[in-house]
Amino acid sequence: AQKVTQAQTEISVVEKEDVTLDCVYETRDTTYYLFWYKQPPSGELVFLIRRNSFDEQNEISGRYSWNFQKSTSSFNFTITASQVVDSAVYFCALSEARSGNTPLVFGKGTRLSVIA
Amino acid sequence: GAVVSQHPSWVICKSGTSVKIECRSLDFQATTMFWYRQFPKQSLMLMATSNEGSKATYEQGVEKDKFLINHASLTLSTLTVTSAHPEDSSFYICSARETGVEKLFFGSGTQLSVL
Repeated sequence: AQKVTQAQTEISVVEKEDVTLDCVYETRDTTYYLFWYKQPPSGELVFLIRRNSFDEQNEISGRYSWNFQKSTSSFNFTITASQVVDSAVYFCALSEARSGNTPLVFGKGTRLSVIA
Repeated sequence: GAVVSQHPSWVICKSGTSVKIECRSLDFQATTMFWYRQFPKQSLMLMATSNEGSKATYEQGVEKDKFLINHASLTLSTLTVTSAHPEDSSFYICSARETGVEKLFFGSGTQLSVL
């Protein structure tokens, strides 16, 4: 069975601080996808990244970076120089890659509050 | 990029009435769509997988007679909450996978409040 654990329920940081959101996953599949989504107060899900299990390169996109460690089944997300607009709930998710009919399994989310 | 349109964004209804939520893929075909439910401050929980032209597959604990899903075309899936009760109040969000592409696109969600 697949499982995604986001141990941090809520995090508060002061603006301009760096913050790392943890994600640990479980799956029996050798091929899978990992995702991060942002959910602002308005509710919609904003896609941030998708990572194939075969690609362990870390990725940086502006102030966002992701650290994929297959050995520890972790896919952590770091925001550098955080801003108030980063305040949201962030979800890590996992999907099998065996077929096109597999949904995402979400973690419980981490609520990030960035204080000015 | 691909867009999934979900309508309505919010709805308030009386207990006992039925509510229909639409999920449309605007510029791509989606043989598979997924419906999720999110209670306040909770994660998104998969309710059902909707397959075009066939019956939906429901997750354990989800009443298929209460949450009717229809996926009659490659661009439209609907979720009907029948005889809604206050405990059905939740945020419902759909997602669609573009056929042949390994990427999911999410609708903007529907906040349902049952009085």
